[in-house]
Parts: sequence; C-alpha cells; structure tokens
Amino acid sequence: QQQVKQSPQSLIVQKGGISIINCAYENTAFDYFPWYQQFPGKGPALLIAIRPDVSEKKEGRFTISFNKSAKQFSLHIMDSQPGDSATYFCAARTGGYQKVTFGTGTKLQVIP
Amino acid sequence: NAGVTQTPKFRILKIGQSMTLQCTQDMNHNYMYWYRQDPGMGLKLIYYSVGAGITDKGEVPNGYNVSRSTTEDFPLRLELAAPSQTSVYFCASKQQGDTEAFFGQGTRLTVV
Repeated sequence: QQQVKQSPQSLIVQKGGISIINCAYENTAFDYFPWYQQFPGKGPALLIAIRPDVSEKKEGRFTISFNKSAKQFSLHIMDSQPGDSATYFCAARTGGYQKVTFGTGTKLQVIP
Repeated sequence: NAGVTQTPKFRILKIGQSMTLQCTQDMNHNYMYWYRQDPGMGLKLIYYSVGAGITDKGEVPNGYNVSRSTTEDFPLRLELAAPSQTSVYFCASKQQGDTEAFFGQGTRLTVV
C-alpha cells in the first residue's frame, strides 16, 4: 500500500518552463511534508518543506502548494533550469517516531 | 563535518552470504533510518531507531536486522542474501522536529 502517491513518474520541461509534480496522501497523522531532490549517485537532500496548516510556501524558484482538505500537495519549479534535472521525491512524516514515508519519485529532465 | 557516512559504497554478494552495511553519523542525531531504493519504487523504510537501544521495523523489514548500541552507529545486517535484496541502500539521520533528514551516499548491493 503506497501511502504517498506521486505523479508523474517522469517529466520533460523546456528551460524556462514550469515543472509541476503532484502528491497525494491518505494518512491524516502526517504532520510535515518535505520534498527531496536527488542527483544520480547521491543521497536525497531536502529541498523545501511545509506543514499542513500552511497553504503555500515559496523558496526562490520552488513553491509548495498544499490542500489539506483534498490531502494533496504539489511542487512547482518556476523558470526551470538544466541544473534542476534530478529525481524529486515528496514525503510525509508522522510526528511521534519521526517516520518519513516517501513517494515513488519523479525524474525531471530540463532541456535547453 | 562528515555528516552520514555509509560503507561500503558497492558490494556484490552471492546468494546465502551475509554482510553488514555500516552507517555512522557525527551530528548527534537521535533518529536514524535505513531505506532501500529500487527503480520506480521510491525509498522504502526498512528499519528505524529513535535512540540508542531502540529500534523498530519499517515497511520492508524481512531479511534484515539492525542494532543501535550507540547514538552514532546504526548497522544493517543481511543474514541470508537473496536476489530480491539487490538494491541501493541509504542510511539517514535527523533531529527531532521539523528538521532535515541527512542521507548518506548510499550502498549499491548486488546479490547474484
């Protein structure tokens, strides 16, 4: 059972375009929603995160939109650059034991 | 500051062999995790620990064991390697709260 569903599996965007990755969850015990970025041969690294009491969070070109009632959240990458080409994972954490559940990942390719 | 260090980086095992994947962190984090990453499947939690002497199963614990005798170390043991355990293994650690989980560089394990 996939607790955090992520789509699309892969995404190709032109340089300067907007990349959008969507995630959905079922478990209402999740209380923190980070996004991780992973480059080939490396471990994932935190990109941006949000709590469910906030509807939007922006850091530079990266924005998380959060819809608590629909149990959905998404990552928007504005002005996408070739250096953004990586795999992106949404995740969700349960507070008590700090368990982090990951989505299946989206491989983003930004073409010049 | 080394962060999370995993050894080895690569390993080939024969079916039925055993091995220990090492993980050490120098950030004094209480929470540590082992994930496996398979193509298109995201990261699946194998085991986690909330502090020295305390461990618990994640989503996919079968075939693995862990121990946490110190805050710094969280080794993952494979007793009877099977081809299904061919994967990339990541160790991670974090502090309590809305904090980043820091990942190691991963161990690529092949069981033949």
